[in-house]
Amino acid sequence: TQLLEQSPQFLSIQEGENLTVYCNSSSVFSSLQWYRQEPGEGPVLLVTVVTGGEVKKMKRLTFLFGDARKDSSLHITAAQPGDTGLYLCAPQGGGSNYKLTFGKGTLLTVNP
Amino acid sequence: EAQVTQNPRYLITVTGKKLTVTCSQNMNHEYMSWYRQDPGLGLRQIYYSMNVEVTDKGDVPEGYKVSRKEKRNFPLILESPSPNQTSLYFCASSSAGNYGYTFGSGTRLTVV
Repeated sequence: TQLLEQSPQFLSIQEGENLTVYCNSSSVFSSLQWYRQEPGEGPVLLVTVVTGGEVKKMKRLTFLFGDARKDSSLHITAAQPGDTGLYLCAPQGGGSNYKLTFGKGTLLTVNP
Repeated sequence: EAQVTQNPRYLITVTGKKLTVTCSQNMNHEYMSWYRQDPGLGLRQIYYSMNVEVTDKGDVPEGYKVSRKEKRNFPLILESPSPNQTSLYFCASSSAGNYGYTFGSGTRLTVV
């Protein structure tokens, strides 16, 4: 059975601080996606990483896919209140099955 | 605008009264899926469909039915709703070969 853990579960920080959230699994994945979900809305795709060791940067967000393709991290620089939300990782096993299993997420609150 | 549309957005119903939550996407995506989201449990897949007339069970299919008669529509049917199906439901779609899901805005269902 695949174990998928996201940490921390909750994170409350002040505007301008940096933070890192983690996604760890016991399985190897072909790719991994990160989503952000705001209250009352559906998750929105932020990024897909597919290569072990891959680093993707999107403005203040940096995503890393571990070398062994079993873990990933999301680093936010100079967090803003607009970054508040639930951050979900979703590793994908690959093949023709597009099943995504989501982690329980990290609930981030950025206080002004 | 590319989107996944769910209806209704909110629904309160009584135990045993059949209901259907509709889901439609305008992106010609092959893959569609239903998730439920519950506090402490995260997003769990109910059913998914790889294409028209091709559906399969996800992780929590009991008490639900789906159909995929047309590519754009993927309704979720609760034949005899029970209070433990009170939840926030999301429909999502993806194209073959594309790693990203597009989610609907959700349906908050309460069964009393």
